[in-house]
Amino acid sequence: GAGVSQSPSNKVTEKGKDVELRCDPISGHTALYWYRQSLGQGLEFLIYFQGNSAPDKSGLPSDRFSAERTGGSVSTLTIQRTQQEDSAVYLCASSLWGYEQYFGPGTRLTVT
Amino acid sequence: QKEVEQDPGPLSVPEGAIVSLNCTYSNSAFQYFMWYRQYSRKGPELLMYTYSSGNKEDGRFTAQVDKSSKYISLFIRDSQPSDSATYLCAMSSMEYGNKLVFGAGTILRVKS
Repeated sequence: GAGVSQSPSNKVTEKGKDVELRCDPISGHTALYWYRQSLGQGLEFLIYFQGNSAPDKSGLPSDRFSAERTGGSVSTLTIQRTQQEDSAVYLCASSLWGYEQYFGPGTRLTVT
Repeated sequence: QKEVEQDPGPLSVPEGAIVSLNCTYSNSAFQYFMWYRQYSRKGPELLMYTYSSGNKEDGRFTAQVDKSSKYISLFIRDSQPSDSATYLCAMSSMEYGNKLVFGAGTILRVKS
């Protein structure tokens, strides 16, 4: 079956611009996660959705970061006023239940 | 000190060798343990999932968890050049909700 998909695969943006990253989870998976992977920091949790609600936003690094999920399916991660330190690979994962999480290919964000 | 420690390598082995990859952790509450494989510019792929202590085998892969030592291992038998990738350990517990805490990843190179 289809896995987790993410778009765009690559995004180059200028400092100060807003970006939106999209995630399509595996069909039927109720849980959705966003992680960030950068050199020196490894893979870091950002936010977790169960259905359309986000019971855990503890990993969002600042209020410039927000995410939503609609219809219990697609999720969008938005970064406002991007900074160079936001450059990273943003990974989305989904699961049917908590711990077996399946990852998408990621969006590589470069802020110039 | 990081919650999960993993030697970044690179670990270089000849084809056919047995590979041992390891992680140590500090939080004794961790109960769920995962190994992911990540090829360059791809998302992490779930290889093995283990709950609590013990061994789990899947083909050429064996995962071991020793909770008393706070140490987990992934063994790869008859290693192949296609096993060349970064291997990430991840773990979680009820107190972490559903988020995974990752090691930094070990780069493995299998030479033909």
